[in-house]
Amino acid sequence: QKEVEQDPGPLSVPEGAIVSLNCTYSNSAFQYFMWYRQYSRKGPELLMYTYSSGNKEDGRFTAQVDKSSKYISLFIRDSQPSDSATYLCAASPAGNNRKLIWGLGTSLAVNP
Amino acid sequence: GAVVSQHPSRVICKSGTSVKIECRSLDFQATTMFWYRQFPKKSLMLMATSNEGSKATYEQGVEKDKFLINHASLTLSTLTVTSAHPEDSSFYICSASSLTGGEQYFGPGTRLTVT
Repeated sequence: QKEVEQDPGPLSVPEGAIVSLNCTYSNSAFQYFMWYRQYSRKGPELLMYTYSSGNKEDGRFTAQVDKSSKYISLFIRDSQPSDSATYLCAASPAGNNRKLIWGLGTSLAVNP
Repeated sequence: GAVVSQHPSRVICKSGTSVKIECRSLDFQATTMFWYRQFPKKSLMLMATSNEGSKATYEQGVEKDKFLINHASLTLSTLTVTSAHPEDSSFYICSASSLTGGEQYFGPGTRLTVT
């Protein structure tokens, strides 16, 4: 079992839809959770960064972490064609070793 | 967010030659830098972790003599692919992290093609 599981999709939605992206993890030591967006042939871009459980909102993006169920979510409201990309979740434990454990990434297409 | 640059963005080299890729954190001090490799439509594969002033820690299966990593300052790390072969052709991406935060900021990547 991979430490971070993510459905690779692809996921296709119409413009304006609410998108829900999810990951599960198995390591209880994970404290930091991140969502990255990666466009084709580009480096990943950090979207959301969360410590421990809770919600975090930034514009159209909301990240949720539920440590009791080991579930990580990213919601995108009013999705736009420019949101079409691969979304990667990542987690790491606390401490000095900040090596990220990555999900496979979910490919999202927002259709105009 | 923090800015990380990577150079070159694309390089084509002949088999047997060496290629150096630079990774710079432009507006923060990166105590730790990471080097990844990514194959088409695949997730990121961590190659090594480097802390400023110390030897890099390589992931299992990554040849340290083939992929030389130097992290000489808090803003610069280099990856040298030595004696490159066609199977080394890939997308190489670096990321940088500061002491204060656990998040990693990525460079734009370098596409290496070995002919």
